[in-house]
Amino acid sequence: QQQVKQSPQSLIVQKGGISIINCAYENTAFDYFPWYQQFPGKGPALLIAIRPDVSEKKEGRFTISFNKSAKQFSLHIMDSQPGDSATYFCAANLAGDDKIIFGKGTRLHILP
Amino acid sequence: KAGVTQTPRYLIKTRGQQVTLSCSPISGHRSVSWYQQTPGQGLQFLFEYFSETQRNKGNFPGRFSGRQFSNSRSEMNVSTLELGDSALYLCASSNGDVNPYEQYFGPGTRLTVT
Repeated sequence: QQQVKQSPQSLIVQKGGISIINCAYENTAFDYFPWYQQFPGKGPALLIAIRPDVSEKKEGRFTISFNKSAKQFSLHIMDSQPGDSATYFCAANLAGDDKIIFGKGTRLHILP
Repeated sequence: KAGVTQTPRYLIKTRGQQVTLSCSPISGHRSVSWYQQTPGQGLQFLFEYFSETQRNKGNFPGRFSGRQFSNSRSEMNVSTLELGDSALYLCASSNGDVNPYEQYFGPGTRLTVT
């Protein structure tokens, strides 16, 4: 119940295309759903986050879509660029808890 | 503002030895969390410290321990190292109760146990 399931494991997208990464959860006590981006040799960096009372959040080319009833959320990267090539992690926090529960990650490669 | 710093960046140890890793949080941040990252298990929470007190703990054996100092700097210690402890150890800081969900990660310490 504490898991966040992420798919796909890896993704190849053409430059200019839309990258879509999906996540699902079971625990309805999760209160915060962040996405992290990690480049090789670096720590994860917070990219964008959403709370369960919002269905969509957009920041630049990055959009989170959230479906509370289905317990699913996804990250969309519009106009994907080679610089977006990285590993992306969806995650969740329980209410009032600093502990981040991470998905297994998606390795994204954008073809130039 | 300087980011989260971790030292050392790389470390090679032998089975049975112990190791201490250090983390300096972003200035003003009082919460420090530690995570282990491996290809097989992904990112797993070790523990979190706030104002020198352990506030949360993950499912790791007692060989993994940590502490936090009055200046918010934190150390984690792994005793009696095993081959399976080879991993990237990440620390993250946040300003605690103000905005606990926004955590900023350091670059990690790559530990190799031989």
